[in-house]
Amino acid sequence: GESVGLHLPTLSVQEGDNSIINCAYSNSASDYFIWYKQESGKGPQFIIDIRSNMDKRQGQRVTVLLNKTVKHLSLQIAATQPGDSAVYFCAESLNSGGGADGLTFGKGTHLIIQP
Amino acid sequence: GAGVSQTPSNKVTEKGKYVELRCDPISGHTALYWYRQSLGQGPEFLIYFQGTGAADDSGLPNDRFFAVRPEGSVSTLKIQRTERGDSAVYLCASSRGRNTEAFFGQGTRLTVV
Repeated sequence: GESVGLHLPTLSVQEGDNSIINCAYSNSASDYFIWYKQESGKGPQFIIDIRSNMDKRQGQRVTVLLNKTVKHLSLQIAATQPGDSAVYFCAESLNSGGGADGLTFGKGTHLIIQP
Repeated sequence: GAGVSQTPSNKVTEKGKYVELRCDPISGHTALYWYRQSLGQGPEFLIYFQGTGAADDSGLPNDRFFAVRPEGSVSTLKIQRTERGDSAVYLCASSRGRNTEAFFGQGTRLTVV
């Protein structure tokens, strides 16, 4: 859903289920995309990245999908665990090489894992 | 080894005052980044250092904000004539090189009253 003021979109899933977090990015020229996880009181933590010449990339329990046609990025988390509860941000960059220079972050989605 | 360290963790200052925020990157990391994060928002890019030089300062909002990294390690973000709108968490990150994974510190929460 849309964020309103300070309220982040929230996704609530049962422990053990799969979750999908979506992100619409803004710049069609962006060449590099990252998903970050941020727990309360901590800085963002790198999860997975993808370059614009790919449409899918897999990590451990996570998969990122990129649809450049509609400027859409998604993060799939398999078999969610309580430790997955956090705010998840997508970020985009014009720098295809990677890194954290000039990243533009999305608004974030709060993922809640229900026991 | 230690991660990115930021001090202080919290800073309360009066409107109009000058503040300095410090970042100790991971040892050996040549790239250093400053972001700020307002409540309920994603981080916003401020500046990127490669070594001692600011390679990209396009995110600094105005000339009240300045950052230095004189020896290519510790960096200081300086804010003059603070305004209430400067209240945010200021995040620092470092990476081994420009095109490698960046690691963020826990941030300094700045509150301007």
